[in-house]
Amino acid sequence: QQQVKQSPQSLIVQKGGIPIINCAYENTAFDYFPWYQQFPGKGPALLIAIRPDVSEKKEGRFTISFNKSAKQFSLHIMDSQPGDSATYFCAASLPYGNKLVFGAGTILRVKS
Amino acid sequence: DSGVTQTPKHLITATGQRVTLRCSPRSGDLSVYWYQQSLDQGLQFLIQYYNGEERAKGNILERFSAQQFPDLHSELNLSSLELGDSALYFCASSVGASSYEQYFGPGTRLTVT
Repeated sequence: QQQVKQSPQSLIVQKGGIPIINCAYENTAFDYFPWYQQFPGKGPALLIAIRPDVSEKKEGRFTISFNKSAKQFSLHIMDSQPGDSATYFCAASLPYGNKLVFGAGTILRVKS
Repeated sequence: DSGVTQTPKHLITATGQRVTLRCSPRSGDLSVYWYQQSLDQGLQFLIQYYNGEERAKGNILERFSAQQFPDLHSELNLSSLELGDSALYFCASSVGASSYEQYFGPGTRLTVT
């Protein structure tokens, strides 16, 4: 199965809240899991990524949690700001990184 | 700014026509990837070129073709265009043939009328 299932479709949080976006996959051969952030009219921008041998990775206010046994991973945005309002995509890659398989995306709105 | 450039930004054309989208990768990157983003299909991988050679193929239609030139820029050719081809087309680049970190350009919005 080459799919990555992402939820929720959209999310509204108050400024300072911690939005959580979840992704699930079936193919255990995936070995790289990035998150991309996309603003309207722009291309996806690489935000943070994790490998399956690590359970958590933090970069600034962004944290990926990875559960290998459940085949799930999630993005947490600490102290969210209105400037974080964007569409977030999870993705997965097979070894040799030829292509990224993307989730459907989550539209995040952070209210000020 | 990712360092990947794409032209044109917008393209409006009629059904049955042919268009060419252009991409210049980040300086030093040898791989170029093409993706299509549409409302119903999301972001879909089309094709990858590495140092001038086709490296991987995804859900690319036979009406579509791509190439990478000696200066590493790439072109995506779309022919016999249909209404359903209207989408955003992104180019991404990475350093090597199997590099996980892909950096996306700003995209070309294609509208087929």
